[in-house]
Amino acid sequence: QSALTQPASVSGSPGQSITISCTGTSSDVGGYNLVSWYQQYPGKAPKVILYEGNKRPSGVSYRFSASKSGNTASLTISGLQADDEAEYYCCSYVNTNTLIFGGGTKVTVL
Amino acid sequence: QVQLQESGPGLVKPSETLSLNCTVSGGSMRSHYWSWIRQTPGKGLEWIGYVFYSGTTNYNPSLKSRVTMSIDTSKNQFSLKLTSLTSADAAVYYCARGNTDFVYWGQGTLVTVSS
Repeated sequence: QSALTQPASVSGSPGQSITISCTGTSSDVGGYNLVSWYQQYPGKAPKVILYEGNKRPSGVSYRFSASKSGNTASLTISGLQADDEAEYYCCSYVNTNTLIFGGGTKVTVL
Repeated sequence: QVQLQESGPGLVKPSETLSLNCTVSGGSMRSHYWSWIRQTPGKGLEWIGYVFYSGTTNYNPSLKSRVTMSIDTSKNQFSLKLTSLTSADAAVYYCARGNTDFVYWGQGTLVTVSS
């Protein structure tokens, strides 16, 4: 079971929008509305920013949004800010009743 | 506010068994799934498995033969045992609440595998 595919890095200038893709298969991303996204700063635990597709936990900025097309889920960060610089991971339920994470994407704010 | 805290040895010898506990505070363990996730520089985040409050478990197939999880709701704790450790098991181990997404996480505990 290979990790979901994410770009290693994405960068953007403050105020811009960036999108991180997360590609899986019909057995995971494409088959269920159970993709979650996590933000992680160095030395800290991951923090969920979106779950079950596009549900946002209390306190998470509306600048974060998610979408899905076929076997690819996407995280969009609008109005990029300096503190958005972090590692981002996607995670999906798999039809074997397990979970799989993406390899992570480092976001750099230029 | 729900809080989780991992505890256990930071150094384990190759071929030995890793035992970690996660203590939950600020909320009930009932009706929830409790997971273990690990993170290595090379492989990123890896879901190890979960234990339901009732004791039902579900493990990552790649680790299933070496993993045992259990729960003690009277102590507000759940635990992970991973046998036959190798250098590939060196990682930061996190406990978290949930089975498909994780709102609450522990701070993580670094496990080194070395003789």
